This record gives sequence, structure tokens and C-alpha cells, in this order.
Amino acid sequence: GQNIDQPTEMTATEGAIVQINCTYQTSGFNGLFWYQQHAGEAPTFLSYNVLDGLEEKGRFSSFLSRSKGYSYLLLKELQMKDSASYLCAVRDPKDGAAGNKLTFGGGTRVLVKP
Amino acid sequence: NAGVTQTPKFQVLKTGQSMTLQCAQDMNHEYMSWYRQDPGMGLRLIHYSVGAGITDQGEVPNGYNVSRSTTEDFPLRLLSAAPSQTSVYFCASSSGIRDSQGETQYFGPGTRLLVL
Repeated sequence: GQNIDQPTEMTATEGAIVQINCTYQTSGFNGLFWYQQHAGEAPTFLSYNVLDGLEEKGRFSSFLSRSKGYSYLLLKELQMKDSASYLCAVRDPKDGAAGNKLTFGGGTRVLVKP
Repeated sequence: NAGVTQTPKFQVLKTGQSMTLQCAQDMNHEYMSWYRQDPGMGLRLIHYSVGAGITDQGEVPNGYNVSRSTTEDFPLRLLSAAPSQTSVYFCASSSGIRDSQGETQYFGPGTRLLVL
């Protein structure tokens, strides 16, 4: 089975940095995704990690350590519009018929205050 | 491209009623899936399809049926609605190509379902 943990809620100030951690225990690993979801809307893709290390995309970065079963999403220069939920998801390791099955964590709600 | 579309946006059902949630995508994606999202529980996979004519169960399939007669459409059927099926339902699709975005899934806008 798959188990993915992330904090329920975080609060940060506009202009600051916030780090959202995600730990996973899975029977295998074939990639980790971060999605952003504003209230009442659909999740949208933020980042993808399949190898260890840091992936940077503008104000957002994502890090992966496969040996530790750990990832984080780093949000820099926080803006009010970054207030949203952030979802960590791990892909099932099997290819073929189950090639793109994702298991999601419960999501972390980030509140950005002025 | 409209991307992934879902209808209806909102629905209220009585216990025991049946209904179909529609999902369509115009990106020629092979992989499609249905999730439900409940407070504090994240997204849970209901059913998925790797191509027309092929479907399989996800984590929480009970009470739901699916079919995939075309690449574009992937409807979700509730045969006899129960209050436990009150949730937000998202349909998603992906291309089948492991590109720089890892074959990310694209989500529809969701259907909010209330079962009384």
C-alpha cells in the first residue's frame, strides 16, 4: 500500500518563504508530483521529481530524496495569491495497465497573511 | 482546446437515485481517471482507464461504475446513491508520454454532489 503524510495547515507572511514537507511509505516509487489547488477549483500541476535533488521553477522549488522517502515544496517570495492547498502525490511503480496511478496525501492548506 | 470538461457542476440527489457524471477531454489523452475529494482525505482514485475499452478499479470503487467507449469520454455512474457518496468528484486525463512534466494529470473543474 501507499501512505503519504503532509502537514494539514501552515501560515506564513507575504514575502516570506514556506517549506511544505511530504513523507511517503510506498511499495515502490515512480515519480512524485506537487499540485496547487485553490478553494473550489481543480488541482493544477506545479512540479515533478523522479530523481534525487532540487527542481527549481521560478518562485517554486521541489526537492526529492528517494532513500528517505521525503520531498518538500519551497515557496519563495510569498504572494497573497499563493494561499491555497498543496497536494503531494506519488505514482504507482507499476507500468502497463497501472502506468499512471497516483496516490495523494491529504493536502496542506497554506494561508498567506499580509 | 477546452481541456477536461465535467458536467454537471452541482447536483443534489436523494438516496437511491441514480445518475451519471460526465467527463470529456479533447487532448487525445489515453489515460483517464476519476477521483473523489473529501475534507482532510485528499484525492482518492475511484476508477481509471488506460484507453478505450479498458477500465480498472482504483482505491474506492464500490458504488460506482465506469465505461470507456471512446478516447474522449469517461462517464462515472452512481447506480444507487448513498449519503456517503456526498463529495467533490474530479475527472483527470494524461497523455501517456513521460515528458519533462512526468505525464502529469490534467483535472476537470469538478462536480459537487450532495446526496440526501
